[in-house]
Amino acid sequence: QQQVKQSPQSLIVQKGGISIINCAYENTAFDYFPWYQQFPGKGPALLIAIRPDVSEKKEGRFTISFNKSAKQFSLHIMDSQPGDSATYFCAAVEGFNTDKLIFGTGTRLQVFP
Amino acid sequence: GAVVSQHPSWVICKSGTSVKIECRSLDFQATTMFWYRQFPKQSLMLMATSNEGSKATYEQGVEKDKFLINHASLTLSTLTVTSAHPEDSSFYICSARSETQYFGPGTRLLVL
Repeated sequence: QQQVKQSPQSLIVQKGGISIINCAYENTAFDYFPWYQQFPGKGPALLIAIRPDVSEKKEGRFTISFNKSAKQFSLHIMDSQPGDSATYFCAAVEGFNTDKLIFGTGTRLQVFP
Repeated sequence: GAVVSQHPSWVICKSGTSVKIECRSLDFQATTMFWYRQFPKQSLMLMATSNEGSKATYEQGVEKDKFLINHASLTLSTLTVTSAHPEDSSFYICSARSETQYFGPGTRLLVL
């Protein structure tokens, strides 16, 4: 059972453009939503995270938008760069103390110069 | 920042042998570590939660006798793949909990 649905599966963006990755969930008990960036052959690295009491969080070129009523959240990468080319995973955690990350299926982003 | 290391980074072994993978939190103590498995172009699948000083909690479908987990100290957890077979070939990633989960660089296992 896929608890966190992620789309698109792959994304091609031109340098300087905006990359948008969407995730949706069903479990209303989820209360922490991190995004991870993974380069080939490497472990995932935490990019940015949000809690459901906030509708938006921005860190540099990366922004999470959160819609609690729709149970959706998205990652926006502004001014996308070739170095952003990687696989991005959204995730959700049910109750911070459990720490059990439920990952989305991943989005492979390619940014062309 | 919080750093997690894994050793080895890659390993090739013969079918039937056992392989041990180490996961260390280098600059923080972690009472909880996690082991994931990732197939090519797929997402991370949680295998087990490792708690220091107690038995690991395995996810449904993960054979605890095949994937032995030991969390001997607050900075070290090990995953031993026993009697490895080609279908165990995968990318194994650990994470350690500080204020959030920090992931190691992964270990690529190839069983011939």
